[in-house]
Amino acid sequence: QVQLVQSGAEVKKPGSSVKVSCKASGGNFRTDIISWVRQAPGQGLEWMGGITPIFGTANYAQRFKGRLTISADEVTTTAYMELSSLTFEDTAVYYCAREWDKYYGMDVWGQGTTVIVSS
Amino acid sequence: EMVMTQSPATLSVSPGERATLSCRASQSVSNRVAWYQQKPGQAPRLLIYGASTRATGIPARFSGSGSGTEFTLIISSLQSEDSAVYYCQQYNNWPPYTFGQGTKLEIK
Repeated sequence: QVQLVQSGAEVKKPGSSVKVSCKASGGNFRTDIISWVRQAPGQGLEWMGGITPIFGTANYAQRFKGRLTISADEVTTTAYMELSSLTFEDTAVYYCAREWDKYYGMDVWGQGTTVIVSS
Repeated sequence: EMVMTQSPATLSVSPGERATLSCRASQSVSNRVAWYQQKPGQAPRLLIYGASTRATGIPARFSGSGSGTEFTLIISSLQSEDSAVYYCQQYNNWPPYTFGQGTKLEIK
């Protein structure tokens, strides 16, 4: 049974950075695709970017390029999402999700990490 | 950039009835569409991938159809537990993946 367990809630100041982790267990982490999806309060789902650990290169949504870094550690089977230059609009729940193949959808999701940007 | 448009925004249906949710892509996405269910305070749950294939453990009363630019999710014999927001997502033109804005399904 594949599980994704995310790190805990964060409160950050505007202009700072946040790094959220996503620990995977039970799957084939190296070849899975790990995506990060966020959801602002009362809003819909927004894909931010994703990575396949075996390849090591991440893909990003255009609007986050330059301030989003997605990485993965094969040894600890943990993916990371780091977002810099935070603004109030980055207040959201951040989810990691995995696909075991690009055709089959995001079948396993983390529990979500709440990030609040507040002065 | 690809846009996924869902309709209606809100749908109210009686228990035991059928709900029909629509999703339109701004350009062809073949059959690379997934549907997700999200209940308040929970992570999304994969219902359908490949436009029409149910994910593991999803009841047969959830069905998906469509290809190209028009997609439909039908939930038959509605139950109170089906009250949720439903999102479509395309994964044909990637990156980025794009989601629809969601349809809120209310059970009367």
